Amino acid sequence: DIVMTQTPLSSPVTFGQPASISCRSSQSLVHSDGNTYLSWLQQRPGQPPRLLIYKISTRFSGVPDRFSGSGAGTDFTLKISRVEAEDVGVYYCMQATQFPYTFGQGTKLEIK
Amino acid sequence: QVQLKQWGAGLLKPSETLSLTCAVYGGSFNSHYWNWIRQPPGKGLEWIGEISHSGSTNYNPSLKSRVTISVDSSKNQFSLKLTSVTAADTAIYYCARESPGDSWGQGTLVTVSS
Repeated sequence: DIVMTQTPLSSPVTFGQPASISCRSSQSLVHSDGNTYLSWLQQRPGQPPRLLIYKISTRFSGVPDRFSGSGAGTDFTLKISRVEAEDVGVYYCMQATQFPYTFGQGTKLEIK
Repeated sequence: QVQLKQWGAGLLKPSETLSLTCAVYGGSFNSHYWNWIRQPPGKGLEWIGEISHSGSTNYNPSLKSRVTISVDSSKNQFSLKLTSVTAADTAIYYCARESPGDSWGQGTLVTVSS
């Protein structure tokens, strides 16, 4: 299985300041079709996960442009340009390049 | 806009079979893979498996011997069965469209306890 490792596991941030989460995979996520199926999901307390970004950097419909994704191969990053109150929650990276699909451990975004 | 609504028994005894169903409203049922994902209380996400509208499946090997995902395209529904459950199967179970899930069900807490 591909192991997804996120850092940090907890990120205290100040409203209006940027935040960044890293995700590293144990092997390349480049699929044989040329795509890299690395996504980011947000889970607010008591809610199902919500898709933010797919294929490294494509924002899903309705996702604010303060969220951005980058990376390649085995190293990926989610950035929030200016954290807002509604961004509090747990963020997961997920790979869908190889079965079984796997998730990172989650990064809890907390307000200082 | 697609909506996923799921239901099933929330309390099971060890060795029983977990059974959940997810109904899809809106959107195209036939153009997607349909997934089950679970989350133990306070923990991370685990992909269980997926099925296409035609019944093609992929399962997580860690659960494959106990899992069956089936589909009823006439009703736009798909289902999860997990046999011989133990306390380790206690989790919130989610259905979702595609992986990584562009639309999710509301989640069903399944507790396994004697």
